[in-house]
Amino acid sequence: SYELTQPPSVSVSPGQTARLTCSGDALPKQYAHWYQQKPGQAPVVVMYKDNERPPGIPQRFSGSSSGTTASLTISGVQAEDEADYYCQSADITGIYQFFGGGTKLTVL
Amino acid sequence: QVQLQESGPGLVKPSETLSLTCTVSGGSITGSYWSWIRQFPGGGLEWIGNFLSGGSTFYNPSLKSRVRISGDTSKNQLSLSLTSVTTADTAVYYCAGERANSPPWFDPWGQGILVTVSS
Repeated sequence: SYELTQPPSVSVSPGQTARLTCSGDALPKQYAHWYQQKPGQAPVVVMYKDNERPPGIPQRFSGSSSGTTASLTISGVQAEDEADYYCQSADITGIYQFFGGGTKLTVL
Repeated sequence: QVQLQESGPGLVKPSETLSLTCTVSGGSITGSYWSWIRQFPGGGLEWIGNFLSGGSTFYNPSLKSRVRISGDTSKNQLSLSLTSVTTADTAVYYCAGERANSPPWFDPWGQGILVTVSS
C-alpha cells in the first residue's frame, strides 16, 4: 500500500513561516493536494495540483513540489492558521487516493 | 453551490453492515465522480472509494471485499455499504465531490457522520 509521510507536528510563532512537507514515491508523477482541518470541521482544500490556490484561500498559503516531496508554505502565520494539515495524492496508477498522516500546526 | 449531507445510523453492531446515504443538493450527481472518505478517531484519513453515475467505481484495495458504493440519480443520492464491520471501522464518514482527475482533489465535503461500531 502506498504511503504519504508528513511530520506529526510543526510549531511556529505568529508572523513566522511554516513549511509543511509530504513525502511519497509517486509524487514525481502525481500532483499533491493539501487540506486544512479545524476541530469539529470537515477538511477544506487549501492547495491543489501542487501550487494552485482555491478562491478564498489567503495568499500567504503557497505550495511546491520537487522530486518525492511536496510542500505547503504558510508565510506570516496567523493564529487562525492553527489546524491539522493533510496532504493527498494518488499512487502511481492514479486510481487509488491516499492521505498523509497529517501535521498539527501549532501557533505559539 | 453544491452541498452534501451524510445520513444513517450512528451505531452499528460488530459483524453487521454499515449503510450510509449522501444527499447532494445544488447540483446533479450525474457526470461527476463522488467519493467516500473516513477519518479515524486518531485523525487519519482514508479514501474508501468513488462512484461515477453510469461509469466506473473504484474501491480502496484494503476494503474492496467489503465495500459497495452506488448512486440513485432520481434522488440525487450516493450510498455506501460496508459489510462485516468491526470496531476498527469506527470513524467519521464523509462524502465528497471530486475535482478533476490528475489525481482528483476533494471539494466540497459533507459535514461527516460519526459511526461507532459497538455491541
